[in-house]
Amino acid sequence: AQSVTQLDSQVPVFEEAPVELRCNYSSSVSVYLFWYVQYPNQGLQLLLKYLSGSTLVKGINGFEAEFNKSQTSFHLRKPSVHISDTAEYFCAVTDGSGAGSYQLTFGKGTKLSVIP
Amino acid sequence: DTGVSQDPRHKITKRGQNVTFRCDPISEHNRLYWYRQTLGQGPEFLTYFQNEAQLEKSRLLSDRFSAERPKGSFSTLEIQRTEQGDSAMYLCASSLFGNEQFFGPGTRLTVL
Repeated sequence: AQSVTQLDSQVPVFEEAPVELRCNYSSSVSVYLFWYVQYPNQGLQLLLKYLSGSTLVKGINGFEAEFNKSQTSFHLRKPSVHISDTAEYFCAVTDGSGAGSYQLTFGKGTKLSVIP
Repeated sequence: DTGVSQDPRHKITKRGQNVTFRCDPISEHNRLYWYRQTLGQGPEFLTYFQNEAQLEKSRLLSDRFSAERPKGSFSTLEIQRTEQGDSAMYLCASSLFGNEQFFGPGTRLTVL
């Protein structure tokens, strides 16, 4: 079984400032990792994913994340945020061993508020 | 671009009534997932289909919940004898290879 901890429930940041949203996971098997964004009353949109290979993954809208196996982390970063980045962000993990359904286990989410 | 669609988007019902939600996945996707998201929480897995076969069910899926995916196309999720604790956003996702899931807009259920 996997679990995800998002260490910050809310992150306020000024427009054009950098931001880091933290995510730690636990798993006894190899993992795939994801970041999703959710705007109010909408579904989830995939920002980026780590499956294998390079530990630095780039996603849409200028976001990137780094997979750190020794620290079991997958923190999301953006060098300069915009008002439109205000949303809730979810980190998710699934079993990457090739067995099972690939069901996602999500963290509780981090609400990013960009201040003008 | 036809993504995942869900119907209805909103449903208000009285306690004890039955409700049914529909999910239409991306057409070539053989995997389909249902999740439930309550206020202030991340989505939680409910059940998984590969084609028409329901292969996994979470312990969250009580006997009052049933899901189907006839012919491996659209899926329905039915909740019988709704309770106030069933109020949540119900999300559907589909996938081709399992390593990337595409989510629909969700159905928000309110049980009065």
